[in-house]
Amino acid sequence: SQTIHQWPATLVQPVGSPLSLECTVEGTSNPNLYWYRQAAGRGLQLLFYSVGIGQISSEVPQNLSASRPQDRQFILSSKKLLLSDSGFYLCAWSVRGLTNTFGSGTRLTVV
Amino acid sequence: KQEVTQIPAALSVPEGENLVLNCSFTDSAIYNLQWFRQDPGKGLTSLLLIQSSQREQTSGRLNASLDKSSGRSTLYIAASQPGDSATYLCAVPQGGSEKLVFGKGTKLTVNP
Repeated sequence: SQTIHQWPATLVQPVGSPLSLECTVEGTSNPNLYWYRQAAGRGLQLLFYSVGIGQISSEVPQNLSASRPQDRQFILSSKKLLLSDSGFYLCAWSVRGLTNTFGSGTRLTVV
Repeated sequence: KQEVTQIPAALSVPEGENLVLNCSFTDSAIYNLQWFRQDPGKGLTSLLLIQSSQREQTSGRLNASLDKSSGRSTLYIAASQPGDSATYLCAVPQGGSEKLVFGKGTKLTVNP
């Protein structure tokens, strides 16, 4: 069966520090991969989208970047965190015609 | 640009009540619509996926309908239970892609 792993579950980081969040998918090949952010009082916002290894589309300008070094691995990064980067980050995958499957999320607090 | 609106933003009902959550979208050229559930501090759980050729989908006490021409979907929950308390999110694909556009959700509280 298909599963998605996302870690860490919670993270508290100081302003200016780097960030690396990882997401891995099992049980499927060549999925589309996504990073979403959910900020307080706002809906889910798509940050990055990937259709294959090394192929990343950025949906909104921001302080973050994403990489896909392997077919089923998606990484969200920042060189220097801002207070506005705080939020709940969700990784997801999809294959055409099937429902999107989400990870359990990472609660990031930048202090 | 696709926009999704969910009404109401919050809903509190007594246990056992039947209820309806509403979702509207601006671009009717969608190929499916999904309803998700989110518990506090957790990820999203898929509830129902309705293809554009379908008018409704059912799973247990949940029934989702889709009216593409009017840009609307409803999620009907029968005989609500305290365990149904969560935020319910509606999402549609952006253009012809698999990228989803979400509503802000309806926070449901079912009181025992």
